[in-house]
Amino acid sequence: EIQLLESGGTLVQPGGSLRLSCAASGFTFAGFSSYAMNWVRQAPGKGLEWVSGISGSGDNTYYADSVKGRFTISRDNSNNMLYLRMNSLRVEDTAVYSCAKDLISTWGMDVWGQGTTVTVSS
Amino acid sequence: QSALTQPASVSGSPGQSITISCTGSSSDIGGYDYVSWYQQHPGKAPKLIIYDVKNRPSGVSNRFSGSKSGNTASLTISGLQAEDEADYYCNAWKRSSTTLYVFGTGTKVTVL
Repeated sequence: EIQLLESGGTLVQPGGSLRLSCAASGFTFAGFSSYAMNWVRQAPGKGLEWVSGISGSGDNTYYADSVKGRFTISRDNSNNMLYLRMNSLRVEDTAVYSCAKDLISTWGMDVWGQGTTVTVSS
Repeated sequence: QSALTQPASVSGSPGQSITISCTGSSSDIGGYDYVSWYQQHPGKAPKLIIYDVKNRPSGVSNRFSGSKSGNTASLTISGLQAEDEADYYCNAWKRSSTTLYVFGTGTKVTVL
């Protein structure tokens, strides 16, 4: 069973930086590098917001307009790790950040982590 | 990018059928058959229940079904059960040079 475990969330001041990590495990037939990965966030009491995605090889990255230029997604396929570097953090970035794995042959997120909480406040 | 539009709430009695709509544009829902639906219970991670408009992952009840017409996708829950009370989100692939996905605004389903 594939599992995802996020870490790195904490309280940070506006304008600060943070790096989130997502450790993936349980891959059998197809390895971690076979799957595109995503970060999705959910602000308190709000809906889901897709934040960023990365191809299996890491060659292609994608961002929501709300984080473009401030956040950077990356992955380490040799260690089954996904990252999100967050710079110039704003109060409105406060949310639970979850990593999610894409289906292998189409688009959709079939495995999710439980999330890590980022609070941006002075 | 703007979120897809869903009704804020839908309710039904046990055993009834309900339908949740999800309206987007020709650049997302209308342009591709890559619509997925997620169920989220309070404090829990979202669960994929429909992908590619109408396909169910293994283990998901056949009471959940999806469809699409033009720029609007729909999720139907038949034989409503108490355990179906949750938040539901649609999601569409929105390929551009820099963006991949867009979620819907979310719908709270209440079982009366």
